[in-house]
Amino acid sequence: NAGVTQTPKFRILKIGQSMTLQCTQDMNHNYMYWYRQDPGMGLKLIYYSVGAGITDKGEVPNGYNVSRSTTEDFPLRLELAAPSQTSVYFCASRPGTGASNQPQHFGDGTRLSIL
Amino acid sequence: DAKTTQPNSMESNEEEPVHLPCNHSTISGTDYIHWYRQLPSQGPEYVIHGLTSNVNNRMASLAIAEDRKSSTLILHRATLRDAAVYYCILRAHNNAGNMLTFGGGTRLMVKP
Repeated sequence: NAGVTQTPKFRILKIGQSMTLQCTQDMNHNYMYWYRQDPGMGLKLIYYSVGAGITDKGEVPNGYNVSRSTTEDFPLRLELAAPSQTSVYFCASRPGTGASNQPQHFGDGTRLSIL
Repeated sequence: DAKTTQPNSMESNEEEPVHLPCNHSTISGTDYIHWYRQLPSQGPEYVIHGLTSNVNNRMASLAIAEDRKSSTLILHRATLRDAAVYYCILRAHNNAGNMLTFGGGTRLMVKP
């Protein structure tokens, strides 16, 4: 059971380039999340999805886009990379309905540097 | 979600118990208390959660004050592998997206 898988693990981008961070989970979880973590800080929520075809903004959505065409995949897109988006990005998923306390399961992260 | 306050860092000796405090004085009656930890270069992992009663699982115990304005995560015998950042998070019952708001956490250092 692979859990939450993120690719790539590391990436360096030039300012203005675009890229997609991939996230897939094999646990048939309805809920999926994208967070970013800046050095020495806690995680901040970028976007989340409560099921296929449904996405919503989190705390820091500017500069990012997401889509959720399948239950398994939740890619995060950076259209015009900026130095402020240098961070570690974590994807997470959880089962169940909104009011439950099922824990979130996290991937190992993607380290992104924009120069 | 209500705010939590944790010490920035704590130290412990290996094989001794560790008590990690968390203050949440503005907690509402339906907020759940969740704890996650983040080992170096890894994503966070769930540790434990509770509402009013103390909770135990294979990883840790959670002691919740009677007025629920504070809680303590207890690691019964710290190992070197427990060195991590521990996050105390309040999750509102009506939080339909089950979103978690991470603060700065407590960095636990374990000395051999």
